[in-house]
Amino acid sequence: DQQVKQNSPSLSVQEGRISILNCDYTNSMFDYFLWYKKYPAEGPTFLISISSIKDKNEDGRFTVFLNKSAKHLSLHIVPSQPGDSAVYFCAARSHRDDKIIFGKGTRLHILP
Amino acid sequence: DAGVIQSPRHEVTEMGQEVTLRCKPISGHNSLFWYRQTMMRGLELLIYFNNNVPIDDSGMPEDRFSAKMPNASFSTLKIQPSEPRDSAVYFCASSLDSANYGYTFGSGTRLTVV
Repeated sequence: DQQVKQNSPSLSVQEGRISILNCDYTNSMFDYFLWYKKYPAEGPTFLISISSIKDKNEDGRFTVFLNKSAKHLSLHIVPSQPGDSAVYFCAARSHRDDKIIFGKGTRLHILP
Repeated sequence: DAGVIQSPRHEVTEMGQEVTLRCKPISGHNSLFWYRQTMMRGLELLIYFNNNVPIDDSGMPEDRFSAKMPNASFSTLKIQPSEPRDSAVYFCASSLDSANYGYTFGSGTRLTVV
C-alpha cells in the first residue's frame, strides 16, 4: 500500500524547458512534504520542502506546489539543466512521528 | 563533517550467509534511519532509532533482519540468513531531531546475494 505515489517512472525534457514532476499521496495526516534528488552511486540529497500550511515554495529554479484537496504535489524545475538529470523522490511525513515515507522515484533525463 | 558513513560500499555474498551493514551517523544527530531501495518498491523505511532506541521496526521484512544501535555513533543492520531477494541498495540516514525534516543520507551499501 503505497502512501506516496509517483506514477511516472521516467521523464525526458529538453534543456532549457520546464520539468514537472508529479506526486500523489493518500495519507491525510501528512503535513510536510519533501523532494530529494539522487545521482547514481550516491545517497539521496534534500532538495526542497513544503509545509501543509502553504501551497507554494520556491527556491531558485525549483518550485514545489501543494494541492491539499487533491492530495497532489508537483516539483517544477525551470529552466532545466543537464545537471538536473537524476532520480527525484517525493516524500512525506506526519507530525505524529519522525519517519519520512518516500515514493518510488521519477528518473528525469534532460536532453541537449 | 564527513557526513553519514556506510560500510561496505559493495557486498557480494552467497545465499545463506550472514551479512552485516554498518552506519556511522553525523555526530550530534539523534535519529537514525535504515532504508532499502529496490526497483519494485523504491525507497522503503526498514527501521528507525531515536536516541539509540528503536522506535518503529514495522518495515523490517522478516525475522531474518535485525538492527542495533549500541551507541550514538554506530548502527548495524544484519541479515541472517541472506537470500537473493535481499539484493538491494541499503541506505542509512540521520537527522538532528524530530523537528528537522531533512535527512542526510549515506552513500549506501549495494548488496548482492547470489
